[in-house]
Amino acid sequence: GAVVSQHPSWVICKSGTSVKIECRSLDFQATTMFWYRQFPKQSLMLMATSNEGSKATYEQGVEKDKFLINHASLTLSTLTVTSAHPEDSSFYICSARDQAGVGTQYFGPGTRLLVL
Amino acid sequence: ELKVEQNPLFLSMQEGKNYTIYCNYSTTSDRLYWYRQDPGKSLESLFVLLSNGAVKQEGRLMASLDTKARLSTLHITAAVHDLSATYFCAVVSGGSNYKLTFGKGTLLTVNP
Repeated sequence: GAVVSQHPSWVICKSGTSVKIECRSLDFQATTMFWYRQFPKQSLMLMATSNEGSKATYEQGVEKDKFLINHASLTLSTLTVTSAHPEDSSFYICSARDQAGVGTQYFGPGTRLLVL
Repeated sequence: ELKVEQNPLFLSMQEGKNYTIYCNYSTTSDRLYWYRQDPGKSLESLFVLLSNGAVKQEGRLMASLDTKARLSTLHITAAVHDLSATYFCAVVSGGSNYKLTFGKGTLLTVNP
């Protein structure tokens, strides 16, 4: 089946630093990838939709200057959390939409971010 | 705006019992997904339901979709401890990007 990887799986950083998270579709091409954030014991909240070769579309309330998204190829999207603060600590999950078939989204394993 | 409601949010059941999780959504959609999430892990895809009356089964789990009622159910038969997890339904919004809107999730605990 389709596989999506994320790197890193865990990151701890100091407040004020920037963190980059990579999302890769390993065996399929994904013109569209999605970035979600999940706080403990809550559901997934869509942050933005990433389209290959164009600007990302952010959900209401998500700061585009803080969460920079780049989708430079059909298999790679990156999320950069700029000037991270403790309130940005969360579980970040990406998904990639398989263009073929019914367009199922496949989810990455997630990246747990802790900002001290 | 598409809203997705799941109930119950918490479900504690004994092994061997049956139960159903419900997922209601507010606007027309052409597909619905069920996912499982174990603690500290990402989502595992269980089912995708594409049409009215669709029914899919895998082991002790069976999912169905009624698009007219905007309702999907996830039925658990003869629960076992290994089914303990959080279950999410997610509905595709309209438009070309196929955004998913998730329910709040149902935390299922199966007790011996």
